[in-house]
Amino acid sequence: ETGVTQSPTHLIKTRGQQVTLRCSSQSGHNTVSWYQQALGQGPQFIFQYYREEENGRGNFPPRFSGLQFPNYSSELNVNALELDDSALYLCASSPGLAGVYEQYFGPGTRLTVT
Amino acid sequence: GENVEQHPSTLSVQEGDSAVIKCTYSDSASNYFPWYKQELGKRPQLIIDIRSNVGEKKDQRIAVTLNKTAKHFSLHITETQPEDSAVYFCAARGGTSGTYKYIFGTGTRLKVLA
Repeated sequence: ETGVTQSPTHLIKTRGQQVTLRCSSQSGHNTVSWYQQALGQGPQFIFQYYREEENGRGNFPPRFSGLQFPNYSSELNVNALELDDSALYLCASSPGLAGVYEQYFGPGTRLTVT
Repeated sequence: GENVEQHPSTLSVQEGDSAVIKCTYSDSASNYFPWYKQELGKRPQLIIDIRSNVGEKKDQRIAVTLNKTAKHFSLHITETQPEDSAVYFCAARGGTSGTYKYIFGTGTRLKVLA
């Protein structure tokens, strides 16, 4: 069992609302990446944080924003929710830049937008 | 934009047979290629990875091959077992520090028939 945790487990929001998802990285890990996984699809890379700075971003609009704290935990914020934002949101942590080091995924937060 | 194509989308094999899943990537700067296994309702787990300076890597029944010229990499599972049944994703990491991107394939649902 990996040490990456995410909260909440499930979330239901209404279109137009804002949501914050949280990720606690595994002890000793300084890199967190966020992914969106729609049903039946592969994870889509949102962005990566390395030592509190954004270190890469996928093709997601600015209403998807993030933050990494000094303890390397991270938040994903999504503003102006749309129906298509319904998905499983996964975070993954690594002890250094992912790609140099293996990523460990958390269990995910399932977001439903109605 | 960058993309990773994965084939086949579904694959059924008899227990003990081999399974091969193929991926093609478009970003020539990609330098890290992990494979993940995702069981129903669970988080993706890394099963094997390969870097661009290596052509082949093996770990017991699992092997990955990389052809940089063709921008093609494959997962080989030998002596398949029912517990190998899952969805498998390939991914490619491209970019440089500050602009990293992870692109996942669309997944292959492998069913091993007992």
